Amino acid sequence: NAGVTQTPKFQVLKTGQSMTLQCAQDMNHEYMSWYRQDPGMGLRLIHYSVGAGITDQGEVPNGYNVSRSTTEDFPLRLLSAAPSQTSVYFCASSYSGGTRYGYTFGSGTRLTVV
Amino acid sequence: AQKITQTQPGMFVQEKEAVTLDCTYDTSDQSYGLFWYKQPSSGEMIFLIYQGSYDEQNATEGRYSLNFQKARKSANLVISASQLGDSAMYFCAMREGSVGGGSYIPTFGRGTSLIVHP
Repeated sequence: NAGVTQTPKFQVLKTGQSMTLQCAQDMNHEYMSWYRQDPGMGLRLIHYSVGAGITDQGEVPNGYNVSRSTTEDFPLRLLSAAPSQTSVYFCASSYSGGTRYGYTFGSGTRLTVV
Repeated sequence: AQKITQTQPGMFVQEKEAVTLDCTYDTSDQSYGLFWYKQPSSGEMIFLIYQGSYDEQNATEGRYSLNFQKARKSANLVISASQLGDSAMYFCAMREGSVGGGSYIPTFGRGTSLIVHP
């Protein structure tokens, strides 16, 4: 049982490049979400999904796209990387809308845009 | 307006003493959930404790307890008998239902850095 797997763990991009951050879970969780963590800002929600084929925007969606074609995978796409997108990105999942078992987080992707 | 407010950027506690980390929240939903997470310097997010809005008793998990005061909209984390390994960032989070404009996806506060002194 691997939980939530994020790849890559580290990435350096040049301004204007695009890339996809991968997130996969093997717990049959319906709810999946992407957060970014910046110093002093906590975790801010980028996009989320409540099931395959259903996605919606969070607090800071600009510059990011998501899709959810399967229950297991929820990739985050950076369309044209900007230095403001330098951050640590976390993917999280839960079986239902938040229970006493909490949300399971991946180990994070540290992204630097130069 | 922030949904989750953690007013203590940093806290210090002596080993073996208890410490309270503050969290207040804002919601118009009747059904919501409150979480606390720990983030050590290694970076992973570790789920500590959960309190549902309809739970009549305060949640407890080992040395962690959640002091839930619904009328005051506060959900403070109490760590008893602090250990050196408790040094970390602590995040309070809330998930709301649709009534509060929520999505059942947690919103996080900005965190409190706890340092435990020997």
